[in-house]
Amino acid sequence: AQSVAQPEDQVKVAEGNPLTVKCTYSVSGNPYLFWYVQYPNRGLQFLLKYITGDNLVKGSYGFEAEFNKSQTSFHLKKPSALVSDSALYFCAVRGPRAGSYQLTFGKGTKLSVIP
Amino acid sequence: EPEVTQTPSHQVTQMGQEVILRCVPISNHLYFYWYRQILGQKVEFLVSFYNNEISEKSEIFDDQFSVERPDGSNFTLKIRSTKLEDSAMYFCASSEGLAGAREQFFGPGTRLTVL
Repeated sequence: AQSVAQPEDQVKVAEGNPLTVKCTYSVSGNPYLFWYVQYPNRGLQFLLKYITGDNLVKGSYGFEAEFNKSQTSFHLKKPSALVSDSALYFCAVRGPRAGSYQLTFGKGTKLSVIP
Repeated sequence: EPEVTQTPSHQVTQMGQEVILRCVPISNHLYFYWYRQILGQKVEFLVSFYNNEISEKSEIFDDQFSVERPDGSNFTLKIRSTKLEDSAMYFCASSEGLAGAREQFFGPGTRLTVL
């Protein structure tokens, strides 16, 4: 069965500093990986995805993520954090099994950007 | 920008009652999903729907649950006889064709409270 781990419940960074939100996954075969962000009282907003190709993918709002197959990781990064980036971040994986489109989510990481 | 909408935003019901949660997916999307998030827990997949039939469902999606696309725009989740443990945030999502590679777009959620 596929799974996602987000080892940090909370990440705090100062505004302007780089941020990293960690994600590791377990899936048979080549994964499809996604990052979503959830603001208070809002749904999940898509940030970026890795399907194939370049290991560094760029997404919305200046976020990027690096796929590392050997470490089975897909960490979310941003060079310079903004206070408005404070939110809950979810990593998700979709396995390669044909006909299966369900996303398996991590438990989420709360990002707090301190002014 | 097109978005997934859900109604109501909050539903309170008595245990044993039937509830119907409604969603309007993005208009050109072909795949539809329901997920739920119990307070403090992970987002969990319930069911996916394509071409007017269920394509995949999780263990959570038992006989008490059903989904329907009653017309060309709505997608509904029915819980026939609610239990206390059904209290959660329910998210609807949709995606375009080739769902494996396509990101899923989520609605803002319906918070279901079962008393």
